[in-house]
Amino acid sequence: QVQLQESGPGLVKPSETLSLTCAVSGYSISSGYYWGWIRQPPGKGLEWIGSIYHSGSTYYNPSLKSRVTISVDTSKNQFSLKLSSVTAADTAVYYCARGDGIPEIYFDYWGQGTLVTVSS
Amino acid sequence: SYVLTQPPSVSVAPGQTARITCGGNNIGSKSVHWYQQKPGQAPVLVVYDDSDRPSGIPERFSGSNSGNTATLTISRVEAGDEADYYCQVWDSSSDHPLFGGGTKLTVL
Repeated sequence: QVQLQESGPGLVKPSETLSLTCAVSGYSISSGYYWGWIRQPPGKGLEWIGSIYHSGSTYYNPSLKSRVTISVDTSKNQFSLKLSSVTAADTAVYYCARGDGIPEIYFDYWGQGTLVTVSS
Repeated sequence: SYVLTQPPSVSVAPGQTARITCGGNNIGSKSVHWYQQKPGQAPVLVVYDDSDRPSGIPERFSGSNSGNTATLTISRVEAGDEADYYCQVWDSSSDHPLFGGGTKLTVL
């Protein structure tokens, strides 16, 4: 059974960089699929942040592209998100998820999510 | 850019049929996926590729897609179906996934 688990600080100061990691178990990231980060501000809908293919190719939401970096560490079977220059608007629950159905991708496995609050 | 439109809310009595729509320009040419999200939980995929169900999802959940509207249909609605539902497509023009705004299903 594929499982994903997000980890990282729950509180980040404005202008700093948010860093999260998604540990994957039950499947080797290097073997395939599309791995993504999605966030959900309190009381609002889902927003795709960006994704990385098993090959290492990355894709970012144009609205966040200048601030986002997604990378993969196949030795640890995990992938990571960095979002720089955060503001209160970046306060959200952050989910990592596995994407299938290439090219019309859907997310079939999700982490439980982690709340990140941006505040001084 | 492509836009998906969902009604903010849908209400239905237990045992009845709920229909949640997702509108988009020529959405019938895309594959539509649906997620259920209960409070405090991660989204769960309930329908993919318009009408397929992942393993473990009840047959009461079904989907259709034609023209400018995709529909998630929940038959014999139960109290446990009360949740937010999101549609999602792959936006080929920008090469990324796109979510609808979500619909809150209330079971009366």
